[in-house]
Amino acid sequence: DAMVIQNPRYQVTQFGKPVTLSCSQTLNHNVMYWYQQKSSQAPKLLFHYYDKDFNNEADTPDNFQSRRPNTSFCFLDIRSPGLGDAAMYLCATSRGGQGLAYTFGSGTRLTVV
Amino acid sequence: DQQVKQNSPSLSVQEGRISILNCDYTNSMFDYFLWYKKYPAEGPTFLISISSIKDKNEDGRFTVFLNKSAKHLSLHIVPSQPGDSAVYFCAASLFQGAQKLVFGQGTRLTINP
Repeated sequence: DAMVIQNPRYQVTQFGKPVTLSCSQTLNHNVMYWYQQKSSQAPKLLFHYYDKDFNNEADTPDNFQSRRPNTSFCFLDIRSPGLGDAAMYLCATSRGGQGLAYTFGSGTRLTVV
Repeated sequence: DQQVKQNSPSLSVQEGRISILNCDYTNSMFDYFLWYKKYPAEGPTFLISISSIKDKNEDGRFTVFLNKSAKHLSLHIVPSQPGDSAVYFCAASLFQGAQKLVFGQGTRLTINP
């Protein structure tokens, strides 16, 4: 089945220690998105890649970066995680056209200790 | 500055009755509206969408209504079933080179037998 896979499902990292979250897709979708969702809040878009073009949201902290080495994979790098970065991180993909639904992965829950 | 709001954090409905979930938005530039359903430990899954040029879209037990003048949309589920118990997210789409979804905070729907 075509899908979006996020690894790991749960990640514990130390305060200030760089961490990388992974997302892969078998859908061959052009666009890959990263969302941050804190408890009982709306998922918030951090950035997206349209093919190789990176698009950062204006209010995404510099601490968050992303890489997309090929169509299938996209990574979220948090350079120096703080306690406030503990959240669910959701990866999603779409073909990029107007009105098309995203396909989401199951998310990675990040804990910062 | 929350552009999409779901003001009811939770809703409890008896099995077989109608569930009505509500969503308000502020940005008149949104071109599509979508509803996602999320079970615990899973990513959101697409449920139904509506274009901003329409006022109703129906898919089986699910109907979405859009009132553009009030900047309000609602999701009706009839009849409600126990498997409908989940968190429902309203999302609004902006097309800026690629589609970007802005989410509400979600409403937890519980269907009671």
